[in-house]
Amino acid sequence: QAVVTQEPSLTVSPGGTVTLTCGSSTGPVTSGHYPFWLQQKPGQAPRTLIWHTGNKHSWTPARFSGSLVGDKAALTLSGAQPEDEAAYFCLLAFNGRWVFGGGTKVTVL
Amino acid sequence: EVQLVESGGLLVQPGGSLRLSCAASGITLSSHWMHWVRQAPGKGLEWVAHINQDETVKDYVDSVKGRFTISRDDANNSLHLQMSGLRSEDTAVYYCGGGWHFDSWGQGTLVTVSS
Repeated sequence: QAVVTQEPSLTVSPGGTVTLTCGSSTGPVTSGHYPFWLQQKPGQAPRTLIWHTGNKHSWTPARFSGSLVGDKAALTLSGAQPEDEAAYFCLLAFNGRWVFGGGTKVTVL
Repeated sequence: EVQLVESGGLLVQPGGSLRLSCAASGITLSSHWMHWVRQAPGKGLEWVAHINQDETVKDYVDSVKGRFTISRDDANNSLHLQMSGLRSEDTAVYYCGGGWHFDSWGQGTLVTVSS
């Protein structure tokens, strides 16, 4: 089974910008992995922010954007707000199955 | 408004069985791929299983293959996960999710496997 890697933790200043990445043990992450990004706050269910690399749901704040950067999928948060402090998980498709990354804990400080 | 409500989580002994349910409103489950995802205490998310619209595709993470079965009851618009041969490492909050590009998630139900 593929392993999906994310930074364990990142810190961003209020109003600052941070980029989270999502890599694959099998090689470059491409649009064919249909990258998703989910946000989870303590005690809450996950919420999907980004689907298929860079598409947003209606509730996704404009400050979040998804892309492919080099060999990885990336989630960029521009203009971080205190309420963005959360865990962020990427999700990739591999041959019809799905694998989550270990998650990145983002601290806004 | 879409609502997914999981139920069936319990304390169960190793080797035991359990059936989880996910009741849906505001969404027709048979129109979407639907998934079960779990989260062990203090850990990350793990995809467990999915089922497609016409139930021709059901697949599982390797660690539960042969022990868990995903199914759907279209008459009651519900999703199920039959779990058997439960192990301590199956202890987790189980979420149902899916819909249009994973836009819908339940609040989860806790399964604890312990003697």
